Amino acid sequence: DTGVSQNPRHKITKRGQNVTFRCDPISEHNRLYWYRQTLGQGPEFLTYFQNEAQLEKSRLLSDRFSAERPKGSFSTLEIQRTEQGDSAMYLCASSPGLRGSTDTQYFGPGTRLTVL
Amino acid sequence: AQRVTQPEKLLSVFKGAPVELKCNYSYSGSPELFWYVQYSRQRLQLLLRHISRESIKGFTADLNKGETSFHLKKPFAQEEDSAMYYCALRVDSSYKLIFGSGTRLLVRP
Repeated sequence: DTGVSQNPRHKITKRGQNVTFRCDPISEHNRLYWYRQTLGQGPEFLTYFQNEAQLEKSRLLSDRFSAERPKGSFSTLEIQRTEQGDSAMYLCASSPGLRGSTDTQYFGPGTRLTVL
Repeated sequence: AQRVTQPEKLLSVFKGAPVELKCNYSYSGSPELFWYVQYSRQRLQLLLRHISRESIKGFTADLNKGETSFHLKKPFAQEEDSAMYYCALRVDSSYKLIFGSGTRLLVRP
């Protein structure tokens, strides 16, 4: 399967712990996105990268959240001092980096985070 | 602020009936609109985009800038169309997608 992959698929943690998620985009996709989805809502944008550069961050991304894409390939999303409100599905997507609306975002299966 | 509204959380129809999933957006510039679909136990995937003016799996959607709408339509629903459908907006200055809250389509036999 050459689609976007995410690990782990599920994470249960206690409040106050740090967690890190990994996303492997489709090979040669320049852009990588992180979204968060809570129950009954659509995905909400968190941040995106063009190669290794983080070009946009949502105000949803508090100081406890940090994302990296060190070599322009895989990306990690870290949440420090987790809170119960962080419980959600974290989705990663990648796109080839084409211009305009032809640049399709392909989504991964998501990482479901539960904070106890 | 840019926003996408999908007023129906659930739409239930019988097989063979017409389907219309509503989507309204709020954006003053030139929007790019998309429909994404998520079948049971599968990942989110692109169904169609307004700029392509294409029909995918019998679904079409027309961008109406006057009414700021991008409703998804299919003349004859099939059971395999049952899924979550999300309308999404992309604005000029960004590559991020702004999603609506989704509509669950249930097609009954």
